[in-house]
Amino acid sequence: NAGVTQTPKFRVLKTGQSMTLLCAQDMNHEYMYWYRQDPGMGLRLIHYSVGEGTTAKGEVPDGYNVSRLKKQNFLLGLESAAPSQTSVYFCASSPPDTDTIYFGEGSWLTVV
Amino acid sequence: AQSVTQLGSHVSVSEGALVLLRCNYSSSVPPYLFWYVQYPNQGLQLLLKYTSAATLVKGINGFEAEFKKSETSFHLTKPSAHMSDAAEYFCAVREAGRRALTFGSGTRLQVQP
Repeated sequence: NAGVTQTPKFRVLKTGQSMTLLCAQDMNHEYMYWYRQDPGMGLRLIHYSVGEGTTAKGEVPDGYNVSRLKKQNFLLGLESAAPSQTSVYFCASSPPDTDTIYFGEGSWLTVV
Repeated sequence: AQSVTQLGSHVSVSEGALVLLRCNYSSSVPPYLFWYVQYPNQGLQLLLKYTSAATLVKGINGFEAEFKKSETSFHLTKPSAHMSDAAEYFCAVREAGRRALTFGSGTRLQVQP
């Protein structure tokens, strides 16, 4: 049982480059989330999705785009990476009938 | 909007000592409250959650937390720390009607031998 899988795990980008982080979950969860984690700031919600084909902005959405074309996948895109986007990114998912959110193991992104 | 404050970014205890990690929330309506643990280079794992059923909530690994409405607190405790408890702990809140969580800034627990 893989749970929530994020790829890639590590990436170094140059300023202005673009990239996509892929999140896949095999638990048939309706809800999916992207968070970023920065020292001393906990986790902050970037975007989330309440179902296939839907997305919504979270607390810190600027500079990111997302897509949920398939229920099991939630993609996070950076169109033009900036050093301020250096962070650890966590994807998570949850079913509609419980409060438990399941997290992936994180993706470490460095923008130089 | 809901917010969560965790007092103390670092807490150090001796093995066998009481663990107390503090969390206060801001809300006039009792929210849903959670504690998550993050071990190095891993994702977050749910320790326990309060959803208004009982004020004292027991979680995994011997942790428990007590919801105190009068103090707007949800502190995490464990009677006797173990070396394996060394990790970062996050308090989180979920507003009624919303799915996403708002996290505190985290408390790193160090356990000394």
